[in-house]
Amino acid sequence: DAKTTQPNSMESNEEEPVHLPCNHSTISGTDYIHWYRQLPSQGPEYVIHGLTSNVNNRMASLAIAEDRKSSTLILHRATLRDAAVYYCILRAVYSGAGSYQLTFGKGTKLSVIP
Amino acid sequence: DSGVTQTPKHLITATGQRVTLRCSPRSGDLSVYWYQQSLDQGLQFLIQYYNGEERAKGNILERFSAQQFPDLHSELNLSSLELGDSALYFCASSVEGRTGANVLTFGAGSRLTVL
Repeated sequence: DAKTTQPNSMESNEEEPVHLPCNHSTISGTDYIHWYRQLPSQGPEYVIHGLTSNVNNRMASLAIAEDRKSSTLILHRATLRDAAVYYCILRAVYSGAGSYQLTFGKGTKLSVIP
Repeated sequence: DSGVTQTPKHLITATGQRVTLRCSPRSGDLSVYWYQQSLDQGLQFLIQYYNGEERAKGNILERFSAQQFPDLHSELNLSSLELGDSALYFCASSVEGRTGANVLTFGAGSRLTVL
């Protein structure tokens, strides 16, 4: 799996939007961009994923750069419950004999200030 | 509740001992992954099984082994335990399709403390 680069930490005020950046300059054309988050003392949970187009779901939005070398996870209104470590990961397309393991980097620790 | 069940939630044991961690995947998921998370190492991929067969190996020690049974539950066996094996062990499951869109669902983890 290709490598991603994220800031170590970010802060946001409660009820304000948060933009979490991720650089993945070595992404291949068929790599999907996934975001997971891990709340304190819990297992990671899926947030959103995309390939080329921007994506929205009930949790967040994913904005993917036109050249796909970077992406941004957008939390529209941060709540205290959104304080977590956010991981940006690339997943390769299945090659017939490969696997789907997710390699997690250090992620971005998001702090939400009341 | 994510649908992935891990037992036990907490386990305290001594160095040199052996433990077994169990994981029941989400209904319909054929693939199981094991991860180790310690304070200084982050989330490390250990091993993946798909429908009973080993698919991929990560940074898994020789003292560790795993298997996936016909009912798709999986067990991670840790033997000759050392202090450094103290960590959170997560299991995840997924439906394996033929794209990189597969989403993993993680369990709540098993916290192992080796004294």
